[in-house]
Amino acid sequence: ETGVTQSPTHLIKTRGQQVTLRCSSQSGHNTVSWYQQALGQGPQFIFQYYREEENGRGNFPPRFSGLQFPNYSSELNVNALELDDSALYLCASPDGSTGELFFGEGSRLTVL
Amino acid sequence: DQQVKQNSPSLSVQEGRISILNCDYTNSMFDYFLWYKKYPAEGPTFLISISSIKDKNEDGRFTVFLNKSAKHLSLHIVPSQPGDSAVYFCAASHPSNYQLIWGAGTKLIIKP
Repeated sequence: ETGVTQSPTHLIKTRGQQVTLRCSSQSGHNTVSWYQQALGQGPQFIFQYYREEENGRGNFPPRFSGLQFPNYSSELNVNALELDDSALYLCASPDGSTGELFFGEGSRLTVL
Repeated sequence: DQQVKQNSPSLSVQEGRISILNCDYTNSMFDYFLWYKKYPAEGPTFLISISSIKDKNEDGRFTVFLNKSAKHLSLHIVPSQPGDSAVYFCAASHPSNYQLIWGAGTKLIIKP
């Protein structure tokens, strides 16, 4: 039990569609980061939110956007889906006292 | 440009023997290194870390060695157990930003 939950666990979309992935963490995790893990690769940093504002971004286009809410839950939105967006999307939050990063189980997105 | 590299996609080790997983990095500014373990259908879980001011950190069966001059780190697991079978990711952080840079992972298989 990491205290970080993600939904949905699996979903299938078609090219050009939009998708919203969700992440919730136990209270106290006011920082959330999102990663994309393509098959056979390590996770790639998408962006990080701290107190509802984006405060770090990796090399991803603007069609990847996010939100963080006052209850520290978070969303990752991807517009105009492309085939290469097929991946496991991971959400992570650090433990408030140790800084250890806890990951959710991920949302596996397939784009057809 | 991969800043963190795990050159062995997979490694097979006999139960009870030592498992050694390797990781190389290119950015000398990285100041913190972490190893994560990932089972199928689960998010990565933190295993052990090391600061760049140290050359060894030990936690039970797991030891991480850092060779800064060679920009190389390794994770030693001894003795290896069947439950250690998983994908192991090496990650590094830079003091000026928030993201972790990940290797592609090494799949460790422990043979009974």
